[in-house]
Amino acid sequence: GAGVSQSPSNKVTEKGKDVELRCDPISGHTALYWYRQSLGQGLEFLIYFQGNSAPDKSGLPSDRFSAERTGGSVSTLTIQRTQQEDSAVYLCASSSTGWSTDTQYFGPGTRLTVL
Amino acid sequence: QQQVKQSPQSLIVQKGGISIINCAYENTAFDYFPWYQQFPGKGPALLIAIRPDVSEKKEGRFTISFNKSAKQFSLHIMDSQPGDSATYFCAASGDNYGQNFVFGPGTRLSVLP
Repeated sequence: GAGVSQSPSNKVTEKGKDVELRCDPISGHTALYWYRQSLGQGLEFLIYFQGNSAPDKSGLPSDRFSAERTGGSVSTLTIQRTQQEDSAVYLCASSSTGWSTDTQYFGPGTRLTVL
Repeated sequence: QQQVKQSPQSLIVQKGGISIINCAYENTAFDYFPWYQQFPGKGPALLIAIRPDVSEKKEGRFTISFNKSAKQFSLHIMDSQPGDSATYFCAASGDNYGQNFVFGPGTRLSVLP
């Protein structure tokens, strides 16, 4: 596809369950970012991938959050033992090289609701 | 020091008016300042960006003004249109690989027809 895609678009889960969120970046983009956007809030950086490695995981809020990227393409963000405060829109973005001035192209997000 | 402050939180403007959104930062290592536009249900999209070596950048109806000494920058939308109604985020980052953006909390703009 031409843009960044994310799946599922919506996810409702029960507290304590694990969830996986998927991101398909723009083909050929080496950098991939995950952000979290809580209701009415700005974007909170979670993790950055350059290729398959994650040089910056500083934004992951707890050890319940993890992410991986395979084949320099698809990335999965996993949240274990979900809590109600994890409810948010999770956004993925990709850029061509990862340089700060490269345009980050965002996907539409996954809206996670933890009951 | 990593925060980017943004104001106002919400803004209502009549069609044809000027919308002004302001941001301020503390970290002098920030070297790149983009603005993103987000429509409901969509991801943010880059609108316009500026480096601190210039004081102003204009693209169509959108202008960024940058004041390095005050560590402030602002977005001006001239001749605002109802289609401009969206949430606008300012952001800042250093000039390097993998520099994560620090985003402001956003301004919800409503342009009345």
